[in-house]
Order: sequence, then structure tokens, then C-alpha cells
Amino acid sequence: AQSVTQLGSHVSVSEGALVLLRCNYSSSVPPYLFWYVQYPNQGLQLLLKYTSAATLVKGINGFEAEFKKSETSFHLTKPSAHMSDAAEYFCAVPPSKLIFGTGTRLQVFP
Amino acid sequence: NAGVTQTPKFQVLKTGQSMTLQCAQDMNHNSMYWYRQDPGMGLRLIYYSASEGTTDKGEVPNGYNVSRLNKREFSLRLESAAPSQTSVYFCASKGGSPLSGNTIYFGEGSWLTVV
Repeated sequence: AQSVTQLGSHVSVSEGALVLLRCNYSSSVPPYLFWYVQYPNQGLQLLLKYTSAATLVKGINGFEAEFKKSETSFHLTKPSAHMSDAAEYFCAVPPSKLIFGTGTRLQVFP
Repeated sequence: NAGVTQTPKFQVLKTGQSMTLQCAQDMNHNSMYWYRQDPGMGLRLIYYSASEGTTDKGEVPNGYNVSRLNKREFSLRLESAAPSQTSVYFCASKGGSPLSGNTIYFGEGSWLTVV
């Protein structure tokens, strides 16, 4: 069965620094991969999704993720962190029931 | 543009009490889900319903029951609440169109405390 692993339950960066949140999927290539973001006391909202049309996927708020089959990875990046990016980020994979990683909490320091 | 609506947002229960979390979506989605979110555990699927009239167990179904009342509504019931069920519960739905790309839409969560 498909699964995802998020490396690092907490990531801290300074404002303006590069954000890198890691996600690896299990060996079989999934048709879709997602990143969701959860702001405090809110539900999850879609950040971006991979649909095999392009390996580099751009999402909302300046985030992007690159699908790398050779590394079975779908890491999330943003060149310059903002304070408003502080949230929890979840990588997820279908099929019929979405399976989530355990989440990475991003802290951004001024 | 309501999307997925779940109630109540906050609830405190005593051990052994029962309650039902309500969820409704207005996007005409076939699939609906209930997740629980606990620190360090991410989101875990409790039950899901692929279509009206069907329900299936997820990863952590014990202690819960669900009802897919109609296409819009999917309720989660705790028959005899236990402290281990203290959690944040999220309802979600997904459209069946390939254009939707299997995107799941979430409600804003229900914070449940069992004392």
C-alpha cells in the first residue's frame, strides 16, 4: 500500500531563509501527491498537487515541490520564508482514501 | 461557498457519554471521510464513505460508528466516549471527477475532550 514519510516533525527557519520540508513516498509511483497546510486551529487546505503532468509543481503562497522518481521524493520548498508561513504541513498520497504523513511543523523566526 | 461544514466545533464529554459529530458538504462529492488528528500522529482515517449508502473502516475505527445519511451528510458517533478519544476530528470530502485530481476538502475541525 502507498505511504509517505515526512522527515523532521519540526523545522525552524529565519524569516527570509529557504524552507525545505521533506516527503518521501513508498516505492510504487503514485498518480497523485499532495501537500496540505494547516494553520493553527483550522482545517487543512491544499497547497499544491502533483498529477504527473509536470515534475515541478507550483502552489499557493510561493511554495513549490519537485517530484523526483529516482529519489522517491516530493519535497516542498520556498525560497524565502515569511512569518505567515508558520503552520503544519502534511504530505499525502491517494488512492481512494488519502494517506497522510505525520506532519512537519514549521516555525519562522524574525 | 460553505464547502465542508462540521459541528460542533468544541465539545467536552464525560467518559461513557455518547455524542454525534455532524458533517455536511455542498460540493456534490461522492466520497466523505472522518479523520482524527493527534500530536505526533498526523491525520488518521477513522471511517470513509466512497458513495451514498456505503461505509468502510479506516485505520482507527474502534469506538466509532458512522452513518452516510445522504450524499451531503456523513456523521460520526461515539457511543461510549473514552479519554483516548480526546482529539481533533476532521471531516473531509472528495469529488470523483478526474479534473478534481482527487483533491480532498476539509472542514475546520471539531475539538473533542473526554474527561
